[in-house]
Amino acid sequence: AQKVTQAQTEISVVEKEDVTLDCVYETRDTTYYLFWYKQPPSGELVFLIRRNSFDEQNEISGRYSWNFQKSTSSFNFTITASQVVDSAVYFCALRGSNYKLTFGKGTLLTVNP
Amino acid sequence: GAGVSQSPSNKVTEKGKDVELRCDPISGHTALYWYRQRLGQGLEFLIYFQGNSAPDKSGLPSDRFSAERTGESVSTLTIQRTQQEDSAVYLCASSLAPRSPSNEQFFGPGTRLTVL
Repeated sequence: AQKVTQAQTEISVVEKEDVTLDCVYETRDTTYYLFWYKQPPSGELVFLIRRNSFDEQNEISGRYSWNFQKSTSSFNFTITASQVVDSAVYFCALRGSNYKLTFGKGTLLTVNP
Repeated sequence: GAGVSQSPSNKVTEKGKDVELRCDPISGHTALYWYRQRLGQGLEFLIYFQGNSAPDKSGLPSDRFSAERTGESVSTLTIQRTQQEDSAVYLCASSLAPRSPSNEQFFGPGTRLTVL
């Protein structure tokens, strides 16, 4: 069975602070994909990143960066110099050998001006 | 518009009525998924369609839920005899074939269903 745990239910920061959203996963598959999605107040899920299990290189995209560590089964997401527009619910998800995405319960990030 | 579209955006119904939710996937996407998101929760998988293969209905919570898809186009999710616990946002997603390297799912805006 697959499981994704996002232990942080809510995080509140002040603009320009850095913030890290944690994601821990469980799977028995040797090949799998990890995803992060953003859900702003409008409700639509926005795809942010996909990583496969064979690629442990960390990735940076502008103010966003992701730290994939297979040894701890974690795929954490950091936003540098947060902005009010970053306020949203962020979901981590796992796809194993089949096509189903297993989602965590999400972390509500509030960035205050 | 090139994204996944869903209709209606909001639906309020009375307990016991049937509802139909519609999803238009991205053109060329052979895979289509339905998810349910209850308030404050993550997404629960409901059903998956891939081309002309038999759908995976393993996530449907009861026999009151059913879905259809015509070829690789529109899908409808039907909930019969709605109950208050069916209140949720129903999200549709589409993707290229899941085994494709670019297999991320693109989501529609969802239908917010409220059962009174």
